[in-house]
Amino acid sequence: NAGVTQTPKFRILKIGQSMTLQCAQDMNHNYMYWYRQDPGMGLKLIYYSVGAGITDKGEVPNGYNVSRSTTEDFPLRLELAAPSQTSVYFCASSYEGLTGHYGYTFGSGTRLTVV
Amino acid sequence: AQTVTQSQPEMSVQEAETVTLSCTYDTSENNYYLFWYKQPPSRQMILVIRQEAYKQQNATENRFSVNFQKAAKSFSLKISDSQLGDTAMYFCAFMTKTQGGSEKLVFGKGTKLTVNP
Repeated sequence: NAGVTQTPKFRILKIGQSMTLQCAQDMNHNYMYWYRQDPGMGLKLIYYSVGAGITDKGEVPNGYNVSRSTTEDFPLRLELAAPSQTSVYFCASSYEGLTGHYGYTFGSGTRLTVV
Repeated sequence: AQTVTQSQPEMSVQEAETVTLSCTYDTSENNYYLFWYKQPPSRQMILVIRQEAYKQQNATENRFSVNFQKAAKSFSLKISDSQLGDTAMYFCAFMTKTQGGSEKLVFGKGTKLTVNP
């Protein structure tokens, strides 16, 4: 059981380049999330998804796009990378059962530097 | 908007001793979840403990326990018999509803804990 898998682990981008951060989970969780963590800060929500085909903006969505074509995958797209997007990105997943919300599990993160 | 405050940016403790990390939060909700996550240098976010607000009993996981004071909106983490492997950033998090009806975590800024030999 791999949990939440993120690729790549590290990436350096030049200003204006684009890239996709991959996230996959094998726990059949319906909820998936993208967070970013800036130095000395907690995590802030970029986008989230409550199921395949459904996505919505979080607190800091500008400069990013997502899609959720399957339950397992939730890629994050950066268009026209900017230095302000230098951060560590975490993907997470969870599920809501009959008795509550469970299983909030994080991937190992992607460290992105935009130069 | 819900906020989570961790007032101790850094703390240190001697190995085998006990340390308490503070967390307060602000919400108008009655039913919610609270979490403590550990982030070691490996960067992995590891769930330490989880508390459901409707449960009055404080959660416990081995050496980790919480003091949940709902009226005071306080959720402190106690680590007993501290070990070198407990050295990490610790984040307090509050689960709240998004506008779309999903749940999201709101994080504090973290407390850097160092366990000294």
